[in-house]
Amino acid sequence: GQQVMQIPQYQHVQEGEDFTTYCNSSTTLSNIQWYKQRPGGHPVFLIQLVKSGEVKKQKRLTFQFGEAKKNSSLHITATQTTDVGTYFCAAVRDTGRRALTFGSGTRLQVQP
Amino acid sequence: NAGVMQNPRHLVRRRGQEARLRCSPMKGHSHVYWYRQLPEEGLKFMVYLQKENIIDESGMPKERFSAEFPKEGPSILRIQQVVRGDSAAYFCASSSIAGGFNEQFFGPGTRLTVL
Repeated sequence: GQQVMQIPQYQHVQEGEDFTTYCNSSTTLSNIQWYKQRPGGHPVFLIQLVKSGEVKKQKRLTFQFGEAKKNSSLHITATQTTDVGTYFCAAVRDTGRRALTFGSGTRLQVQP
Repeated sequence: NAGVMQNPRHLVRRRGQEARLRCSPMKGHSHVYWYRQLPEEGLKFMVYLQKENIIDESGMPKERFSAEFPKEGPSILRIQQVVRGDSAAYFCASSSIAGGFNEQFFGPGTRLTVL
């Protein structure tokens, strides 16, 4: 079945440093979504990318979808302690069925 | 506008007992998904339901697990004869029919502990 690989598994940064997490698939994805889960919380939708080469920004967060639609990245500029949490990418398993396959997540820890 | 609701938030069961997890989707949403999350791991898809129909149950174990989403009332994930390995957080998500936009809204989860 479709698998989505995510790296790194864990990242510890100093406040103010940048952070990037990567998501890769062996198959072409119809779209990709990003979620954030705070410790002890539930996943919260951040964004969806659909088009090849698409780039979207949300304040300090930049999301990219690769030209071949097989990879994606989330970049955070100048991290803050409020960015702490686990970031998951997720891809629709089958456009008609809408179930999501989640990456394993990248846990971000920000040292003040 | 109430979000996705799940109850109970925490559930403790002894081995061999049954666990029933409930999920009320957001108002107007007719698609419900159940995911399981083990500690320090990602979310694993279990089952996708629409009202009165199971659309995709490929992620759900064949034995002891069942799910339903009746015409009236919440979606139920039922685990019979629980074992310690069933201890996990179970998240429900819902989505609306919105032409290819598949944003899912997650509930707060049910943390199941099997003693």
